Amino acid sequence: EPEVTQTPSHQVTQMGQEVILRCVPISNHLYFYWYRQILGQKVEFLVSFYNNEISEKSEIFDDQFSVERPDGSNFTLKIRSTKLEDSAMYFCASSEILGLAGEQYFGPGTRLTVT
Amino acid sequence: LAKTTQPISMDSYEGQEVNITCSHNNIATNDYITWYQQFPSQGPRFIIQGYKTKVTNEVASLFIPADRKSSTLSLPRVSLSDTAVYYCLVGAKMDSSYKLIFGSGTRLLVRP
Repeated sequence: EPEVTQTPSHQVTQMGQEVILRCVPISNHLYFYWYRQILGQKVEFLVSFYNNEISEKSEIFDDQFSVERPDGSNFTLKIRSTKLEDSAMYFCASSEILGLAGEQYFGPGTRLTVT
Repeated sequence: LAKTTQPISMDSYEGQEVNITCSHNNIATNDYITWYQQFPSQGPRFIIQGYKTKVTNEVASLFIPADRKSSTLSLPRVSLSDTAVYYCLVGAKMDSSYKLIFGSGTRLLVRP
């Protein structure tokens, strides 16, 4: 069964540093998403991406965040200057259909720890 | 303000039916309601999706009333491996934008 993969599984960084979280969505999917889950809390939508541009973003996704699909397979989330409160699990997801008309497939997540 | 509300936790025993309800008062008119299951340290996994009335698949049923302001996930005959957190996911119109909003999650504990 095809799956979404994410690297690294765990990233530790110092406050103020830039991090790039990487995702490889399922190959025939066209819509990509990033979500965040702070420890013990619910999953929160960050951004959706289609056709090389952002479709929607939440209020969490401020100027410190950016997304990119640098090639035909990778989908990245960059945090320019990390803050302590950015510590969370970050999940990438992909789907064939935008929004909720289609099933989203989630990756295993990257645990980001900002010290 | 779009808000989805779920019970924080539920307890059940193996073999029982479990019903988890999510209230979503600002759901977008044309959007689906989706439910996900999440185990510790894993990404959410799709369970079922529906738009209205009732949907059933091999693992669950989903009941959606006519006003679509709530939905109920029904898990028949739960087993220990169904212990997980269950989330509803809806699309909601907020101002002029569209947002994907997870519910607060319901932690289901299945006891032997």
